[in-house]
Amino acid sequence: GAVVSQHPSRVICKSGTSVKIECRSLDFQATTMFWYRQFPKQSLMLMATSNEGSKATYEQGVEKDKFLINHASLTLSTLTVTSAHPEDSSFYICSASFGGGESPLHFGNGTRLTVT
Amino acid sequence: QKEVEQDPGPLSVPEGAIVSLNCTYSNSAFQYFMWYRQYSRKGPELLMYTYSSGNKEDGRFTAQVDKSSKYISLFIRDSQPSDSATYLCAMSALKGNNRLAFGKGNQVVVIP
Repeated sequence: GAVVSQHPSRVICKSGTSVKIECRSLDFQATTMFWYRQFPKQSLMLMATSNEGSKATYEQGVEKDKFLINHASLTLSTLTVTSAHPEDSSFYICSASFGGGESPLHFGNGTRLTVT
Repeated sequence: QKEVEQDPGPLSVPEGAIVSLNCTYSNSAFQYFMWYRQYSRKGPELLMYTYSSGNKEDGRFTAQVDKSSKYISLFIRDSQPSDSATYLCAMSALKGNNRLAFGKGNQVVVIP
């Protein structure tokens, strides 16, 4: 069964509003979670690494003030897309490693964001 | 040169055929190799996880790693229509909680 749960699976919002996406590790603690973005027929692009209890690490070219990440507990990381624009429309996927870093990444089912 | 190269396809095969997928990479530090299956509008699902060179088999799936050639493969035997999906290769230099380098994904269609 799924080890990483992501919510919502789909969201439509108006330009200028903010959207929050949740990523939960199920039945295990994840000190580190990862947020990816995927465009149609493209591979996953790492946006940021979410660290429990500290600031997230963002990849080059990713605006940290636009994509706010909070990892307040060992089982929950959130990504907030602030002041969303149509070009932010994409498929956002989170992931975590089960087993304290000794196993490969498992992914959530993704969130399809559409900004109108 | 991209870190990981993967032919995006699509690859169409008849039901029951063997599906052969592969990726090449340039970073010799990669030691951990994964194959993920992604259905449309879903997150990637881990299929195979291997370390270093060699073969690994799990049911109808076989993963091969040839580090000397920087080449990895995934074989699906007795393919089923439910195998129709995009298959992504991924790799990393370190275990678990580390950044993965992904291939572009290869779309596979199994025709009944």
